[in-house]
Amino acid sequence: DTEVTQTPKHLVMGMTNKKSLKCEQHMGHRAMYWYKQKAKKPPELMFVYSYEKLSINESVPSRFSPECPNSSLLNLHLHALQPEDSALYLCASSQDFGREYETQYFGPGTRLLVL
Amino acid sequence: GQNIDQPTEMTATEGAIVQINCTYQTSGFNGLFWYQQHAGEAPTFLSYNVLDGLEEKGRFSSFLSRSKGYSYLLLKELQMKDSASYLCAVREIKSGNNRKLIWGLGTSLAVNP
Repeated sequence: DTEVTQTPKHLVMGMTNKKSLKCEQHMGHRAMYWYKQKAKKPPELMFVYSYEKLSINESVPSRFSPECPNSSLLNLHLHALQPEDSALYLCASSQDFGREYETQYFGPGTRLLVL
Repeated sequence: GQNIDQPTEMTATEGAIVQINCTYQTSGFNGLFWYQQHAGEAPTFLSYNVLDGLEEKGRFSSFLSRSKGYSYLLLKELQMKDSASYLCAVREIKSGNNRKLIWGLGTSLAVNP
């Protein structure tokens, strides 16, 4: 089973709203990732959690706030977003972080539109 | 620095073979991945190469030459469902032993009947 699930599939929010994206995996993976992807562009790394601790923050604006409540769950809290934040938000997980041969498996993504 | 180049678009015919090339320049190479991404969907893992040579997996094969900074993805017996974007990603070791994926811009493959 290489399934990563994400909810919701689609989200429309205003610039003053607060919303959360959720990601879940039950593969026993200890590393989880948030990516942002714009149309016709590759995924852009935002955050990496390893063993439930934030390992990488790619200088993401504070209006994006990640949270890892346990080893299976990863959230991305959104507040005061801008229209340019509209994108596909992808969650991924891998067995570990920083090891050879690790492969990232992606969830289906949440398509976010900020009005 | 890092740089990954792959063709923007390719077209092929159903049943044919297509080769998608990827060249890279990185300062700490630690493996190369190919992902397939259909429009509006998540990337799906296809293959991983860290040593030179060919890795075969069904209709898909991937080749790596580290000395040339070069990889290709070979798709045989093309099917219409293979129409997708193919992303080349290189894992790079950075300071502190952090490993990060550097992504190419993707090759959009159109398979015609």
